[in-house]
Amino acid sequence: DAKTTQPTSMDCAEGRAANLPCNHSTISGNEYVYWYRQIHSQGPQYIIHGLKNNETNEMASLIITEDRKSSTLILPHATLRDTAVYYCIVRAIIQGAQKLVFGQGTRLTINP
Amino acid sequence: KAGVTQTPRYLIKTRGQQVTLSCSPISGHRSVSWYQQTPGQGLQFLFEYFSETQRNKGNFPGRFSGRQFSNSRSEMNVSTLELGDSALYLCASSLGDRGADGYTFGSGTRLTVV
Repeated sequence: DAKTTQPTSMDCAEGRAANLPCNHSTISGNEYVYWYRQIHSQGPQYIIHGLKNNETNEMASLIITEDRKSSTLILPHATLRDTAVYYCIVRAIIQGAQKLVFGQGTRLTINP
Repeated sequence: KAGVTQTPRYLIKTRGQQVTLSCSPISGHRSVSWYQQTPGQGLQFLFEYFSETQRNKGNFPGRFSGRQFSNSRSEMNVSTLELGDSALYLCASSLGDRGADGYTFGSGTRLTVV
């Protein structure tokens, strides 16, 4: 699985859009980009994933660059409850090889 | 629908003992994975089961084992507990074995070894 690089921490004002970057320059053609977040002492929560097209769901949007070497998770109107550690994970969908490799993630703090 | 249920939520054990943790996946989900989370190492993959078969295993000693039952519920067992086994143990389930639908995590079992 490709390695990902994320900033260690970020701050965002409540009500503004939070844009979390992730570099995955070694991604291969069959690898998806997944985003999870973890609020203190809880299990990671799935946010969104994509392959090459931009994706949007009720929680967030995922923008993947055309060369797929980086992506950005967008929380359109951040709230205090969005304060969490956000993990960007790249992995292939391979039958029988089901594991997520978590890095250190980005600690996002939403400020009032 | 009910989420992934892990029991117990908290556990305190003594060095040398063994422990069994339980995970009930979302109804219909057939894949269950286990992870260990510690402050120093972060989230690390332990193993993954699909249809009662272990499909993948992380780099953990043989003291860590698991199994999956026909109803997809899974257990993990840690024998001869060490202080370093103190961690949050998380399980995640997904619908199929390809993970394309994402994984749903439980709230975890916090194990403290004293």
